[in-house]
Amino acid sequence: EDQVTQSPEALRLQEGESSSLNCSYTVSGLRGLFWYRQDPGKGPEFLFTLYSAGEEKEKERLKATLTKKESFLHITAPKPEDSATYLCARSGTASKLTFGTGTRLQVTL
Amino acid sequence: DTGVSQDPRHKITKRGQNVTFRCDPISEHNRLYWYRQTLGQGPEFLTYFQNEAQLEKSRLLSDRFSAERPKGSFSTLEIQRTEQGDSAMYLCASSQGFIGYGYTFGSGTRLTVV
Repeated sequence: EDQVTQSPEALRLQEGESSSLNCSYTVSGLRGLFWYRQDPGKGPEFLFTLYSAGEEKEKERLKATLTKKESFLHITAPKPEDSATYLCARSGTASKLTFGTGTRLQVTL
Repeated sequence: DTGVSQDPRHKITKRGQNVTFRCDPISEHNRLYWYRQTLGQGPEFLTYFQNEAQLEKSRLLSDRFSAERPKGSFSTLEIQRTEQGDSAMYLCASSQGFIGYGYTFGSGTRLTVV
């Protein structure tokens, strides 16, 4: 069964305090590992797709990495506008995504 | 293009009533997806269309749920005889071909069953 587990559930950072979010996933049959950002009351917003161990992608203060069993979303020098829920998802087929429960990030001044 | 549009944004209904939601995907996207999200959880897959064909349905989708995508354009999701457990955010997403390019989600329809 496809499973995605994210940790921590919630994270509070001060502005400029870098950290990482973790996503562990069912390895068998992985076709892609996805990261999304979700603001309250809105649908998830696509950030990255990773396909193979060792792959990295960056966007502004965010960098996503993939190992054989886990993915990390590194946030460098975060700002308050980075506050959101970050969702990890895996694809084992051509169509369906299985999401984790997310990490709620709060960045304070 | 204004992205994926969902209507209504909010719906309050009494238990046992039928409700229908509409999704208008990005015009050039041939794939359309429905997900359901409850508080504190990630979205759960419900069903998927490629053009007008419904290609996959989740076991979560009971007989009370039906989805259509006539002519491969907009889609509707109907829930018959609503139950309190149906209260959730219903999200629609679309993509063009390969999933790797990422879905574009709409802002969702929040359903409350009282």
